[in-house]
Amino acid sequence: QKEVEQNSGPLSVPEGAIASLNCTYSDRGSQSFFWYRQYSGKSPELIMSIYSNGDKEDGRFTAQLNKASQYVSLLIRDSQPSDSATYLCAVTSSGSARQLTFGSGTQLTVLP
Amino acid sequence: DAGVTQSPTHLIKTRGQQVTLRCSPISGHKSVSWYQQVLGQGPQFIFQYYEKEERGRGNFPDRFSARQFPNYSSELNVNALLLGDSALYLCASRELGGGETQYFGPGTRLLVL
Repeated sequence: QKEVEQNSGPLSVPEGAIASLNCTYSDRGSQSFFWYRQYSGKSPELIMSIYSNGDKEDGRFTAQLNKASQYVSLLIRDSQPSDSATYLCAVTSSGSARQLTFGSGTQLTVLP
Repeated sequence: DAGVTQSPTHLIKTRGQQVTLRCSPISGHKSVSWYQQVLGQGPQFIFQYYEKEERGRGNFPDRFSARQFPNYSSELNVNALLLGDSALYLCASRELGGGETQYFGPGTRLLVL
């Protein structure tokens, strides 16, 4: 069973702080990695994608990938109350369907 | 540009009934995938279709079926509904040859009583 594991949380950080979200995956053949944000009652919204080892920055968001350790993380700098949501880590399978396998999500609350 | 659209937005059914959910992908996207998300969990893969053929299937019973039409829209059918089928059903589209990114529609929330 190919799995994606996330810190279940919930995670609370004060406004302006850095939020750190972590994810590990079991399928060594995975090539594509994603972070989605999901507000309560809404569908997942793509935040970041990362395909190669290292860091990828987009505004206040930085994704980090380490394929050797099978580890993906998301850093949110200058956290805002509007960042309060569940963050889902997703990994593309190595099979032909290339489906996404999701973790169970980390609930983040940014306190004003 | 319009994103992925799904209908209906909400649905209430009783056990044993059948349901059909619909999805239209982003214009130009030929791949459609269906996911089921139960409360408190991440989405689980049900099906992937492109070029009107099933390309992948998750660990779901045969009560679940789907198809893709020539315009790349898709339907998900669930027969003999169980209480445990209550969930948010998500459709995602992907541009073939344009990377692995999947974009999700707003979902259909199904409640089985």
